[in-house]
Amino acid sequence: GESVGLHLPTLSVQEGDNSIINCAYSNSASDYFIWYKQESGKGPQFIIDIRSNMDKRQGQRVTVLLNKTVKHLSLQIAATQPGDSAVYFCAEKVKGGYNKLIFGAGTRLAVHP
Amino acid sequence: GAVVSQHPSRVICKSGTSVKIECRSLDFQATTMFWYRQFPKQSLMLMATSNEGSKATYEQGVEKDKFLINHASLTLSTLTVTSAHPEDSSFYICSASTRSYEQYFGPGTRLTVT
Repeated sequence: GESVGLHLPTLSVQEGDNSIINCAYSNSASDYFIWYKQESGKGPQFIIDIRSNMDKRQGQRVTVLLNKTVKHLSLQIAATQPGDSAVYFCAEKVKGGYNKLIFGAGTRLAVHP
Repeated sequence: GAVVSQHPSRVICKSGTSVKIECRSLDFQATTMFWYRQFPKQSLMLMATSNEGSKATYEQGVEKDKFLINHASLTLSTLTVTSAHPEDSSFYICSASTRSYEQYFGPGTRLTVT
């Protein structure tokens, strides 16, 4: 039958504000997590990653926080810019196998001037 | 470095025909390549994992006879959608991986079946 498209949750922020995008992952045995940015009509672009033995990692303007107790991942973007507007996906790597990734549902970030 | 290309970027085909999509790692050798499908406003869904020289491993619900995967070399994997139907219209994305955790994604191929 015809699949029903999901509506991605949208986070709207003002330019210059900080953004926090959240993700709940499914597998407590996952040992590696990645955040990707996807612009319309393009493939995912790597932003930042974190291993399960860490709870925080910082990059340039981005920070990833991992809470294994509640299986929660967040991406913080400082001083959000219009160029940050995109859909953001978290992904978890399933332990073992061929480094298979499971993607979260995604969040659309809309940055307003 | 770590560039992955896909060809074609867009393709329109008639219902019942087959279409082949190529995924190439341009500057590294990929031991593993992954194929994903993404419907509008949805996430990436893994279709299959392929390793060079061996048969692909398909995810549950993905028909291996409909989505033929060939990983003939360490830099090329192909996905052939056989007997395509309008419901196969989607955005197909490949990724390539070395022995590390990282996957490098291609730009995607928009398939429209009329």
